[in-house]
Amino acid sequence: GQQLNQSPQSMFIQEGEDVSMNCTSSSIFNTWLWYKQDPGEGPVLLIALYKAGELTSNGRLTAQFGITRKDSFLNISASIPSDVGIYFCAGWGGAQKLVFGQGTRLTINP
Amino acid sequence: ETGVTQSPTHLIKTRGQQVTLRCSSQSGHNTVSWYQQALGQGPQFIFQYYREEENGRGNFPPRFSGLQFPNYSSELNVNALELDDSALYLCASSLGGQGAVETQYFGPGTRLLVL
Repeated sequence: GQQLNQSPQSMFIQEGEDVSMNCTSSSIFNTWLWYKQDPGEGPVLLIALYKAGELTSNGRLTAQFGITRKDSFLNISASIPSDVGIYFCAGWGGAQKLVFGQGTRLTINP
Repeated sequence: ETGVTQSPTHLIKTRGQQVTLRCSSQSGHNTVSWYQQALGQGPQFIFQYYREEENGRGNFPPRFSGLQFPNYSSELNVNALELDDSALYLCASSLGGQGAVETQYFGPGTRLLVL
């Protein structure tokens, strides 16, 4: 099935470091979303982006909707242990269909 | 806590069997979407139900079917199970049916293992 290209697939960082991950697609999307999934849980929405070029923050998280509408990035500043988990980007192109990336697994060394 | 519940939490079936998974939506939500998440992958859209009617479908064969009830709870049925159907099945409830993707709240999922 169709998926977005998300990178990196995994990250191992020290507590306090900043994190950056991105997502690209061959298709244009009208909305970009970033989710976090913890073990045994469903994805939880972190940030939603609705306009090309939009930059949105949610606490230590910042995400941007690419100008071409084919990419997005998520930054996490000053990482803490509870940031551990799998982060997914998702694109919404209509037809009630949300397309997800493969995920970025974040591991933090205290 | 999203208010979305799924049952059962885990399930083991054998190839060729049929399975029914259940989802209870967040109060007031009239739309439910189902996703399949294989190990190490992102969720893939199966279909969506809005006010008891199918309202969009992903690239899944007809042996994947669903129902939404008047109280907006939902079922996912899979017939003739195959080994590749082993996955985490997620449901997400939302309000509106059209363009309300950002308000989708996911349940914890049902992990299905097909032997």
